[in-house]
Amino acid sequence: SQTIHQWPATLVQPVGSPLSLECTVEGTSNPNLYWYRQAAGRGLQLLFYSIGIDQISSEVPQNLSASRPQDRQFILSSKKLLLSDSGFYLCAWNEAGGGYTFGSGTRLTVV
Amino acid sequence: QKEVEQDPGPLSVPEGAIVSLNCTYSNSAFQYFMWYRQYSRKGPELLMYTYSSGNKEDGRFTAQVDKSSKYISLFIRDSQPSDSATYLCAMSAQGGSEKLVFGKGTKLTVNP
Repeated sequence: SQTIHQWPATLVQPVGSPLSLECTVEGTSNPNLYWYRQAAGRGLQLLFYSIGIDQISSEVPQNLSASRPQDRQFILSSKKLLLSDSGFYLCAWNEAGGGYTFGSGTRLTVV
Repeated sequence: QKEVEQDPGPLSVPEGAIVSLNCTYSNSAFQYFMWYRQYSRKGPELLMYTYSSGNKEDGRFTAQVDKSSKYISLFIRDSQPSDSATYLCAMSAQGGSEKLVFGKGTKLTVNP
């Protein structure tokens, strides 16, 4: 069966520090991968999506970047965090014709 | 007009009540419709997945899609305190790598 792993669960980082969140999927090949951010009252905001290795599309210009070094690995990064980067970050995957499966999320607080 | 509109609630009902959650949308190209349940501090989990118009039932949950009215609903029968969560609707025009468009979610509390 397919599983998705996302870590860490919580993170407190100072302003200006770097960020790296990792997501891996098991039990499937060539999944579509997504990074979302969820802020209170604002719903789910799509940040990046990827249909294959090194194929990344950015939805919102911002302080973040994404990479997919391996088929089932998706990484969200920042060189210098801003206060506005605080939020609940979710990784998700799907296959053609299927709904999304989300990871358990990372709650990021930038202080 | 936003692509997907969903009343954020909060909605509070007694245990055993029938709950109706709704979303409206503006893009007539949407064909795939989903409902997700999200418990506090957890990722959303897929509850129902439907294609085009019609009804789909799974246990106490029924999803309805009315494409002519651009309106979808999720009904929960015999609601339980464990159903207390935020419910998000989502939809897309294609079922593949097409990006989902989400509603903002409705927070539901079922009181024992």
